[in-house]
Amino acid sequence: GAGVSQSPSNKVTEKGKDVELRCDPISGHTALYWYRQSLGQGLEFLIYFQGNSAPDKSGLPSDRFSAERTGGSVSTLTIQRTQQEDSAVYLCASSPWGAADTQYFGPGTRLTVL
Amino acid sequence: SQKIEQNSEALNIQEGKTATLTCNYTNYSPAYLQWYRQDPGRGPVFLLLIRENEKEKRKERLKVTFDTTLKQSLFHITASQPADSATYLCALVFTSGTYKYIFGTGTRLKVLA
Repeated sequence: GAGVSQSPSNKVTEKGKDVELRCDPISGHTALYWYRQSLGQGLEFLIYFQGNSAPDKSGLPSDRFSAERTGGSVSTLTIQRTQQEDSAVYLCASSPWGAADTQYFGPGTRLTVL
Repeated sequence: SQKIEQNSEALNIQEGKTATLTCNYTNYSPAYLQWYRQDPGRGPVFLLLIRENEKEKRKERLKVTFDTTLKQSLFHITASQPADSATYLCALVFTSGTYKYIFGTGTRLKVLA
């Protein structure tokens, strides 16, 4: 079946602009995660959705970052007033039940803020 | 402070040898530990999970150990092949409250033919 997909694959934007990154998880997966990976760094946890529960937003680096998950499926990560330090690869992952389950990662969106 | 460390330098080994990668952590008590493989320009791919009450897990040429006293996990690839060349990430999984994953920075492995 289809894996996790993300769009766009690359995004170049100017400092101060807003961007939206999209994640389509594997159908039926209840858990969805967003991570950020900067060059040479590990994955930085951003936010976690589990079913219809309130998301765990504890990893969001500032109030410029927000995410939503509509209908328990597609998720959008929005970054407002982008800064150059927001440049990174943004990875989305989903898993069937959450918790320690296997996470299936998408290919990522490479964001470059000029 | 809380920290998770993997071999910071790239690891080069000869084909056919066993590669051993290390994941050390401090001030954490994870319920699980996972290992992922990441190729350039791709998302990580899950390899193995080991629980806090398990000492060792195997899958084909892969073996993971988990020592909660030493706060260390070792990841072994036996009979290594050039196709095993990639970056390997360890991730601690916490289950108190909401589930959370904390990833190490990864170790880049290169298997030389």
